[in-house]
Amino acid sequence: DAGITQSPRHKVTETGTPVTLRCHQTENHRYMYWYRQDPGHGLRLIHYSYGVKDTDKGEVSDGYSVSRSKTEDFLLTLESATSSQTSVYFCAIRGGGSNEQFFGPGTRLTVL
Amino acid sequence: AQSVSQHNHHVILSEAASLELGCNYSYGGTVNLFWYVQYPGQHLQLLLKYFSGDPLVKGIKGFEAEFIKSKFSFNLRKPSVQWSDTAEYFCAVTPNSGGSNYKLTFGKGTLLTVNP
Repeated sequence: DAGITQSPRHKVTETGTPVTLRCHQTENHRYMYWYRQDPGHGLRLIHYSYGVKDTDKGEVSDGYSVSRSKTEDFLLTLESATSSQTSVYFCAIRGGGSNEQFFGPGTRLTVL
Repeated sequence: AQSVSQHNHHVILSEAASLELGCNYSYGGTVNLFWYVQYPGQHLQLLLKYFSGDPLVKGIKGFEAEFIKSKFSFNLRKPSVQWSDTAEYFCAVTPNSGGSNYKLTFGKGTLLTVNP
């Protein structure tokens, strides 16, 4: 257990509303990542952070923004949710000496 | 940019059968390789990793994988599967340098169903 929590764990929202997902870690890791998981696509990187206020885009960043104002929290915002953003969202941290990542429990988001 | 290909979308085995899941990656430099497992309704857990050294790596729950550099492959094996191995398995790669910010690229996953 890498001390990663995600909130909320489940959310149902409507098209056009903003949504913010939170990832919280307790072990002071520098690198944090947001992925989405969809059947047939595996995990795809949305955004990542390499330090406080340092973030960058991943391969599927359109429609998403992130913020990291302190080490322990990495927020993912869907500015105007669409049905195509219905997915399971996982946060991860880089830990250990071999560049592996450890994952949080996930947030299941449904956009109606 | 790197990519990962997992050959099998869904594998169905009976208990005690041997398992081999294929994984090939494309990247021109040195890499770190991983296998993750996701049990139904759960998050991804690290099964094993290759960083350097011995290309045959052993992980948890009796799994092992062999890195064959010439074939750009990192296949996962287990000599005798159990019903509890039913899960989805993901292969992942990252360049072995900090310049990539340690981003992982995942394959699309292989669903393993083990029948009792």
